[in-house]
Amino acid sequence: GAGVSQSPSNKVTEKGKDVELRCDPISGHTALYWYRQSLGQGLEFLIYFQGNSAPDKSGLPSDRFSAERTGGSVSTLTIQRTQQEDSAVYLCASSLTGVLHEQYFGPGTRLTVT
Amino acid sequence: AQKITQTQPGMFVQEKEAVTLDCTYDTSDQSYGLFWYKQPSSGEMIFLIYQGSYDEQNATEGRYSLNFQKARKSANLVISASQLGDSAMYFCAMKVYGQNFVFGPGTRLSVLP
Repeated sequence: GAGVSQSPSNKVTEKGKDVELRCDPISGHTALYWYRQSLGQGLEFLIYFQGNSAPDKSGLPSDRFSAERTGGSVSTLTIQRTQQEDSAVYLCASSLTGVLHEQYFGPGTRLTVT
Repeated sequence: AQKITQTQPGMFVQEKEAVTLDCTYDTSDQSYGLFWYKQPSSGEMIFLIYQGSYDEQNATEGRYSLNFQKARKSANLVISASQLGDSAMYFCAMKVYGQNFVFGPGTRLSVLP
């Protein structure tokens, strides 16, 4: 079956512009996660959606970052007024439930802020 | 708060040898899961193996096994018969019910021919 997909795969934007990154999770997966990975670094948790519960936004680095998940499926991560330090790979993952199931990752979106 | 420690930034292993990648964790919760992921240079994250905190047997998946020592709070990954394609970053992660995943900083494994 189809895995997690993300779009765009690459995004170059000018400092100060807004960007939207999209994630399509595996069908039927109720949990969805966003992470950020800077070059050569580990994964930085951003936000976690579980079913209809309020999302865990504790990892969002500033109020310029927001995310929504519509209909319990597709998610969009929005970064407003992008800064150069926002340049990274943004990874989305989904899992069957929010209990103890493994995550399946998308290929990521590489964001470059010039 | 949960925390994952991976003390080996880089490891080398000879092809066909076994290698152990260390992972220790910290949590006060009794119910949790431990995961290992592989990230090759291409960037995708690949799930390798899972161990539940109540599992009595160590998890195994093909050449991967997880050496789970609950009292020591360690969950080391053992790769047997290393292959050149095993060269990658390896991340240990933990999840407590109702909370997000926590990842360690990773270990870069290089398999030498």
